[in-house]
Amino acid sequence: GENVEQHPSTLSVQEGDSAVIKCTYSDSASNYFPWYKQELGKRPQLIIDIRSNVGEKKDQRIAVTLNKTAKHFSLHITETQPEDSAVYFCAAINPPRRSGYALNFGKGTSLLVTP
Amino acid sequence: AAGVIQSPRHLIKEKRETATLKCYPIPRHDTVYWYQQGPGQDPQFLISFYEKMQSDKGSIPDRFSAQQFSDYHSELNMSSLELGDSALYFCASSLFGLARETQYFGPGTRLLVL
Repeated sequence: GENVEQHPSTLSVQEGDSAVIKCTYSDSASNYFPWYKQELGKRPQLIIDIRSNVGEKKDQRIAVTLNKTAKHFSLHITETQPEDSAVYFCAAINPPRRSGYALNFGKGTSLLVTP
Repeated sequence: AAGVIQSPRHLIKEKRETATLKCYPIPRHDTVYWYQQGPGQDPQFLISFYEKMQSDKGSIPDRFSAQQFSDYHSELNMSSLELGDSALYFCASSLFGLARETQYFGPGTRLLVL
């Protein structure tokens, strides 16, 4: 199965700075990489995703880059705000089998944005 | 927009009891996934269903079973509950098609086993 590693486990930045979270995956057949934001006790919320046929995707202050050769992908948050504070999970899809697309999550990064 | 609905939101059970968690996917979504998230951990995939048939199986204990019904809602049945089953249980749904991988999570059911 897929193994996803995520770094760092905690990240503290000042408001307005950028934050970068990195993930690596093991299975070169993986082709879908979403990022979820989870506030304490709440649901994981999809914030951005990227497919293996694309190298970069941007949505306002959030961007994701994918390096298929190196098997890693990164989340970039610019102009961070206190409300960006949360746990961020990267994930990769198991190689599709039958009709299932189970997510394999990284261990999460706890981001703290201080005013 | 309608989201994934889960019930109950909170559940307290004693060891060896049974519990049933329900999930109502986003309208028109035909695929349901169940995940278990322990305190401070990442969500772990349990099981998924597509068009009422099991499509994938993860780390689901034999004490647990699940099914998807004709209206696409799903139920996770948990028996002989153990203390270690205390966790957040999330259901996610997706629509089989071009963006079949995109999963939207429900608010979760917090299960506490005493």
